[in-house]
Amino acid sequence: AQTVTQSQPEMSVQEAETVTLSCTYDTSESNYYLFWYKQPPSRQMILVIRQEAYKQQNATENRFSVNFQKAAKSFSLKISDSQLGDTAMYFCAKGANSKLTFGKGITLSVRP
Amino acid sequence: DAGVIQSPRHEVTEMGQEVTLRCKPISGHDYLFWYRQTMMRGLELLIYFNNNVPIDDSGMPEDRFSAKMPNASFSTLKIQPSEPRDSAVYFCASSVEDTQYFGPGTRLTVL
Repeated sequence: AQTVTQSQPEMSVQEAETVTLSCTYDTSESNYYLFWYKQPPSRQMILVIRQEAYKQQNATENRFSVNFQKAAKSFSLKISDSQLGDTAMYFCAKGANSKLTFGKGITLSVRP
Repeated sequence: DAGVIQSPRHEVTEMGQEVTLRCKPISGHDYLFWYRQTMMRGLELLIYFNNNVPIDDSGMPEDRFSAKMPNASFSTLKIQPSEPRDSAVYFCASSVEDTQYFGPGTRLTVL
């Protein structure tokens, strides 16, 4: 089975500091995408960042960046200058053949 | 663009009643997905459509669940009859170029 693994159930970070969320995945496809979604207490699923597997350059969106290690099948999310509004559950997901496979998620708490 | 629109946002019903959840995807997106999220099972893909045609409904839990997409701008997920274990948040998502965008979800409570 194709799986996405987020081994840390929860993390905490001080406001303004940097935090890295880990994700590993299993795949047999050569063409796939990787995503991080954020789910705040409002329950809305918000796309944070997207990475095409064929691109070597790591994706960046403002304070959010990824470390994509294709050979290791690793896809971590770095949040810089953490803000209180970053408090949420974060899901890593792999997209292939139009479908997404999600990890179980990690709860991130940003402390004031 | 308004994003994916779902209605209702909250639904409380009694066991045995029919429930219909509605979704309007983002214009131009050719895929539509229905998910269910619970604490116990996480996010589950129920069914998805491509160009209004159901492609994979293997995630639909039982015959009590059905989904339709009569046109490119509207889809429904129906549960009949509803049971307390159907209580969950139901998400609709639409996609283009393999990137899915989610609606705000419908929180369903079956008493």
